[in-house]
Amino acid sequence: SQTIHQWPATLVQPVGSPLSLECTVEGTSNPNLYWYRQAAGRGLQLLFYSVGIGQISSEVPQNLSASRPQDRQFILSSKKLLLSDSGFYLCAWSTGTGFNEQFFGPGTRLTVL
Amino acid sequence: DQQVKQNSPSLSVQEGRISILNCDYTNSMFDYFLWYKKYPAEGPTFLISISSIKDKNEDGRFTVFLNKSAKHLSLHIVPSQPGDSAVYFCAVAYGNKLVFGAGTILRVKS
Repeated sequence: SQTIHQWPATLVQPVGSPLSLECTVEGTSNPNLYWYRQAAGRGLQLLFYSVGIGQISSEVPQNLSASRPQDRQFILSSKKLLLSDSGFYLCAWSTGTGFNEQFFGPGTRLTVL
Repeated sequence: DQQVKQNSPSLSVQEGRISILNCDYTNSMFDYFLWYKKYPAEGPTFLISISSIKDKNEDGRFTVFLNKSAKHLSLHIVPSQPGDSAVYFCAVAYGNKLVFGAGTILRVKS
């Protein structure tokens, strides 16, 4: 069966510090991968998605970047965090075929102080 | 411009009664719709979906209805249970992506 891992679960970082959140998927090959953010009291905002190694699509201009160095690894990064980067970050995967269901990881709670 | 709208931020229902969560979308080309459930500090979990070729899909206590002419879908939970208390997101498939509504907080009172 497929599983998706995210770490860390929680993170408190000062403004201006770098960020690296990691997501890995097991039990599937060539998945589509996604990064979402849920700000407090808000819905799910798609940040990046990837249909293959090295292929990244950005949905909104922002202070963040994403990379996919391996088939089942997706990384969310920032060189300098802003207060507005605080939120709940979710990684998700889908099969990449016609079926559109996405499966989410447990999330990372990021607080920027 | 929001393509998917959940106009009710919250809903409170008595245990055993029906919960009805609503969702509206703007683009008549959308053809696949999903509902997710999310507990605090956890990732959303998939509940049920429906294709535009259907107007109803049922899975246990959960039924999704699609009204294409009104560009409206709804999720019915019958009977509602306290464990159903969560945030419910509707989503529409758009290419490789899902576009989510803002969510509705459901509270089921015992």
